[in-house]
Amino acid sequence: SQTIHQWPATLVQPVGSPLSLECTVEGTSNPNLYWYRQAAGRGLQLLFYSVGIGQISSEVPQNLSASRPQDRQFILSSKKLLLSDSGFYLCAWRGWAKNIQYFGAGTRLSVL
Amino acid sequence: DAKTTQPNSMESNEEEPVHLPCNHSTISGTDYIHWYRQLPSQGPEYVIHGLTSNVNNRMASLAIAEDRKSSTLILHRATLRDAAVYYCILRDVMGSAGKSTFGDGTTLTVKP
Repeated sequence: SQTIHQWPATLVQPVGSPLSLECTVEGTSNPNLYWYRQAAGRGLQLLFYSVGIGQISSEVPQNLSASRPQDRQFILSSKKLLLSDSGFYLCAWRGWAKNIQYFGAGTRLSVL
Repeated sequence: DAKTTQPNSMESNEEEPVHLPCNHSTISGTDYIHWYRQLPSQGPEYVIHGLTSNVNNRMASLAIAEDRKSSTLILHRATLRDAAVYYCILRDVMGSAGKSTFGDGTTLTVKP
């Protein structure tokens, strides 16, 4: 069966520090991968998606970047965090059979 | 992407049925209607999806209007564990890399 791993679960970082969040998927090949951000009490904002290794599409201009160095690995990064980068970050994958997205447990990022 | 409209919040009593509405008046012929739910501090999880016909699974039922401009997620007997934010989204099977817009959803409160 397929599983998605996302870590860390919580993170507190000072303003101006770098960020690296990692997401890996097991049990599937060539998935579509997604990074979302969720503000408190709000819906999900799509940040990046990837349809293959090295292929990244950005949905919203911002202080963040994404990379996909391997088929089942998706990384969200920032060189210098801003206060506004605080939020709940979710990684998701989609298979080709049923067009259903499966989400990770999320990372709660607080930038202080 | 076609948008959906949901009430901000709904309340239900435990062990009673719950009908969660969703309007999607600009739905296209290739859009599937998907429902996800998000428990507190977790990533969203898939509930059910359909195209034209009503659908049932172990979690819920999905009733789709004949003109497909609205749908209703039905929880037959609400439990306290069903308290969550429910998202109705449209997913075009033909493309867009499976991108979908998650709005603010409906926050369901279940009273004991």
